[in-house]
Amino acid sequence: ETGVTQSPTHLIKTRGQQVTLRCSSQSGHNTVSWYQQALGQGPQFIFQYYREEENGRGNFPPRFSGLQFPNYSSELNVNALELDDSALYLCASSTGGGRYNEKLFFGSGTQLSVL
Amino acid sequence: KNQVEQSPQSLIILEGKNCTLQCNYTVSPFSNLRWYKQDTGRGPVSLTIMTFSENTKSNGRYTATLDADTKQSSLHITASQLSDSASYICVVRTAGKSTFGDGTTLTVKP
Repeated sequence: ETGVTQSPTHLIKTRGQQVTLRCSSQSGHNTVSWYQQALGQGPQFIFQYYREEENGRGNFPPRFSGLQFPNYSSELNVNALELDDSALYLCASSTGGGRYNEKLFFGSGTQLSVL
Repeated sequence: KNQVEQSPQSLIILEGKNCTLQCNYTVSPFSNLRWYKQDTGRGPVSLTIMTFSENTKSNGRYTATLDADTKQSSLHITASQLSDSASYICVVRTAGKSTFGDGTTLTVKP
């Protein structure tokens, strides 16, 4: 176990709805990154938060937004859901703030299905 | 075209056999290369991390190699076990960003 917990584990939404996914980072970790993993593909970087500030973002539209709280837990919000948003959403915690050699600890993910 | 290409896409081997997975990348500049194991329905777990100056790194029955000149890496698994059945993902890190390959799905059969 990595000590990173995500909730919920599974979620079903309909197109156009909004969703919030949650991640509790490992104790002592101040950095959280989020990834989208479509079936049969590798994870795609969405964004990263370091000490409550976004400090990196991948090629995802603004309807993907996030938040990091003072206890370093994090939320991923997706507005106006589209069918292609169906995927496994992973969060990873670390202590490096995006340093090149930081080790990432992943949660088990939230499986989102958009109907 | 993905900047991190893995091959084969899937592989089936018998328990006890060895296998080698390949990773070719075009990501630049290069900070480090990582191999992860991802069990079905779980998040990836780190196996090895190598910087450009490292040629090989071992973690138990897993041995990763890196040729930074040709931008190729391999992950060798010796004496495979049923629990090795998983997806193996190659990740290249640069400037604070990680680029993931699509993984090789390994199935170990008894």
